[in-house]
Amino acid sequence: ELKVEQNPLFLSMQEGKNYTIYCNYSTTSDRLYWYRQDPGKSLESLFVLLSNGAVKQEGRLMASLDTKARLSTLHITAAVHDLSATYFCAVDKNTGNQFYFGTGTSLTVIP
Amino acid sequence: NAGVTQTPKFRILKIGQSMTLQCTQDMNHNYMYWYRQDPGMGLKLIYYSVGAGITDKGEVPNGYNVSRSTTEDFPLRLELAAPSQTSVYFCASRGKGQPYISPLHFGNGTRLTVT
Repeated sequence: ELKVEQNPLFLSMQEGKNYTIYCNYSTTSDRLYWYRQDPGKSLESLFVLLSNGAVKQEGRLMASLDTKARLSTLHITAAVHDLSATYFCAVDKNTGNQFYFGTGTSLTVIP
Repeated sequence: NAGVTQTPKFRILKIGQSMTLQCTQDMNHNYMYWYRQDPGMGLKLIYYSVGAGITDKGEVPNGYNVSRSTTEDFPLRLELAAPSQTSVYFCASRGKGQPYISPLHFGNGTRLTVT
């Protein structure tokens, strides 16, 4: 069974601070995805990482992928309140048919 | 361009009742998925489809059925609803041609309560 694990599950951080969310997965895959979900809302795609060493950045968020370690990170730089949300990583098997989601990291940025 | 549309948004069912959650997409996507999200949890794959006429089970298919008669529609059927099926259900699709690099596009979800 494919497992996707995130840590931490909950993160409370002050505005202006940096932090990293980790995503470990148990299957061979060259593709990893990050999503954001606001409370009561649907999921929004943030990043698509397609190969070992891939790095994507958008504003204060930067995602990276190490396929050998089966690890992706989502780094938050100088957090602001608007980043408060739940962040999910997801992996699809190399067949491309099935998407598996991590448990999510609930981020709260405190002014 | 509406994207992925789910109906209804909310529904309360009594134990043993049946219902169909509707999902339609207008992006001509081959791949479609149904997930459930329990409170404070991640998403679990129920069923998926790689094209019209083709469906397959995901991680948690028991108690559900699907069909895919057209590219656009992927309804999820609940037979004999149980309290354990109380959840938020998300339908999603991804593009054809290059499925390996396409993220999922999600609908807004259906919040289902079984009492």
